[in-house]
Amino acid sequence: AQRVTQPEKLLSVFKGAPVELKCNYSYSGSPELFWYVQYSRQRLQLLLRHISRESIKGFTADLNKGETSFHLKKPFAQEEDSAMYYCALVTGGFKTIFGAGTRLFVKA
Amino acid sequence: EAQVTQNPRYLITVTGKKLTVTCSQNMNHEYMSWYRQDPGLGLRQIYYSMNVEVTDKGDVPEGYKVSRKEKRNFPLILESPSPNQTSLYFCASSPILAGEGEQYFGPGTRLTVT
Repeated sequence: AQRVTQPEKLLSVFKGAPVELKCNYSYSGSPELFWYVQYSRQRLQLLLRHISRESIKGFTADLNKGETSFHLKKPFAQEEDSAMYYCALVTGGFKTIFGAGTRLFVKA
Repeated sequence: EAQVTQNPRYLITVTGKKLTVTCSQNMNHEYMSWYRQDPGLGLRQIYYSMNVEVTDKGDVPEGYKVSRKEKRNFPLILESPSPNQTSLYFCASSPILAGEGEQYFGPGTRLTVT
């Protein structure tokens, strides 16, 4: 079955601490993976896509096909990183599957 | 301004009364999609469309209909709404989806069915 799992519903860290939001997927084909972020009162927007291997706002994510994971990491969290984060998988048939989301709260 | 718009933003209706939520994009995107967002479940895809007259079911299509007669519009139709369709609905569009494709989301429509 095609599935995206984000095991943490809530993650609370102090400002300046490292943060890792976990994402595991289940898909037999070649996955296209994305991280989306939703700040308070804003639209859902793209944060990262695995194919471009970029760093956005200090966040990175590496696709690990062996562990079927696409964890989102940032070495030093900032208060403005507080938001809802969604991991998403796009299948070969262009169906999109989102995880349940992780709410990140960065404390001062 | 390039964007995805949805109307209405808020809707309260009664069981069985047909309704349509409109979605429009001005970016000439081929791909459009509808999602519902429920607490603890994240976003679940209802229907998607790769182009005009091409639509496919997502994970939760039951109780919904869509049409794609024009590239820019992708309305979501609830023929006979029920209380379990109370949710926050998002429309999205994308130029291409595989690999590089980013989905652009609308502001959401909060639907309550009593």
